[in-house]
Amino acid sequence: ETGVTQSPTHLIKTRGQQVTLRCSSQSGHNTVSWYQQALGQGPQFIFQYYREEENGRGNFPPRFSGLQFPNYSSELNVNALELDDSALYLCASSLGGAPYEQYFGPGTRLTVT
Amino acid sequence: AQSVAQPEDQVNVAEGNPLTVKCTYSVSGNPYLFWYVQYPNRGLQFLLKYITGDNLVKGSYGFEAEFNKSQTSFHLKKPSALVSDSALYFCAVRAPYSGAGSYQLTFGKGTKLSVIP
Repeated sequence: ETGVTQSPTHLIKTRGQQVTLRCSSQSGHNTVSWYQQALGQGPQFIFQYYREEENGRGNFPPRFSGLQFPNYSSELNVNALELDDSALYLCASSLGGAPYEQYFGPGTRLTVT
Repeated sequence: AQSVAQPEDQVNVAEGNPLTVKCTYSVSGNPYLFWYVQYPNRGLQFLLKYITGDNLVKGSYGFEAEFNKSQTSFHLKKPSALVSDSALYFCAVRAPYSGAGSYQLTFGKGTKLSVIP
């Protein structure tokens, strides 16, 4: 069974640029959630995708957007990067529905300069 | 809105002693509660969950947690701490399904556990 993978591991971008982060869900999982973890904080929910549709969104502006593909992998796109976007971005997959736990990938460390 | 509080930023315990990491929550309806552990520069690793049933749940690596509905708490415990347990621990809550977005996890700020040899 393959776990959740994310790419790239690290990324450095300049303020105003755009970035795409990628996530492959655990085998058999149909739901992907994205979280932002700032230094010294707990993860904050960005949004969730279920069957290729956004299924809930946290308190993040529209410049944070995403996609889910038929194989349940997902992308997180951030436009017009700001310094405060510097964080660890975590992807989590689950079976959706019911009280299933979410399984997290190792994260992508984004630094905006 | 749902929320989680972890009142201790850091917990220090001697190796071999019992440990407790505290968590209280606020959510509408019956909660789904989770504990995750994070090692440096790593993602979150699932430890255990409470959904319903027995208030004492057992999880990975000898950890357990006690759900207390009246005190809205879900404290993480281990009878005998190991140096390798040193890490960052997060408590999370999820509300029962009530529409789009209700599957989201709300996390506490985390508690750094240091086990001293």
